[in-house]
Amino acid sequence: DQQVKQNSPSLSVQEGRISILNCDYTNSMFDYFLWYKKYPAEGPTFLISISSIKDKNEDGRFTVFLNKSAKHLSLHIVPSQPGDSAVYFCAAGSFTWARQLTFGSGTQLTVLP
Amino acid sequence: DVKVTQSSRYLVKRTGEKVFLECVQDMDHENMFWYRQDPGLGLRLIYFSYDVKMKEKGDIPEGYSVSREKKERFSLILESASTNQTSMYLCASSTGGSNTIYFGEGSWLTVV
Repeated sequence: DQQVKQNSPSLSVQEGRISILNCDYTNSMFDYFLWYKKYPAEGPTFLISISSIKDKNEDGRFTVFLNKSAKHLSLHIVPSQPGDSAVYFCAAGSFTWARQLTFGSGTQLTVLP
Repeated sequence: DVKVTQSSRYLVKRTGEKVFLECVQDMDHENMFWYRQDPGLGLRLIYFSYDVKMKEKGDIPEGYSVSREKKERFSLILESASTNQTSMYLCASSTGGSNTIYFGEGSWLTVV
């Protein structure tokens, strides 16, 4: 039973345009969400996070939106750059229930020059 | 910067061998984790530890064990390696009060 789902295995966008990566979750106990970026043959690196008390968090070109009622979050990258090409993992956790993270299956983003 | 170091990047082992994957973190983090990454399956938690000599099973502990004798070191052990354990293994750590975990570079294990 996948508690965190990324339904799009891949996404291609043109350089300079917006990339939107989506993630859905089923467990209402999750109250903290993160995005990680992973290049081939490297470990994932933390990108941005959001707690359930917010619906938006921005960090430079990266913005994460959270819709608690729909149990859905998205990562927006504007403008997209070729160096953003990587696998993006959505992860969910809980401040009170458990400290480990549950990850989605990842979305391969390709930014075309 | 947080540094999580996995000592072996690439290993090739034979079926039935005992395999040790070592991980060290230098930030005095209480929590340490072992994940494996497989195409289409994302990152799946094998074991984690909240303290020295303490361990908890994750989602896929079968065929694995762990050891945490010192706070900075968390070892993953494959008692008898099998071909379905061919994967990328990722160690991670975090502070006690944080949900943000930091990963090592990963260890590619091939079991033949």
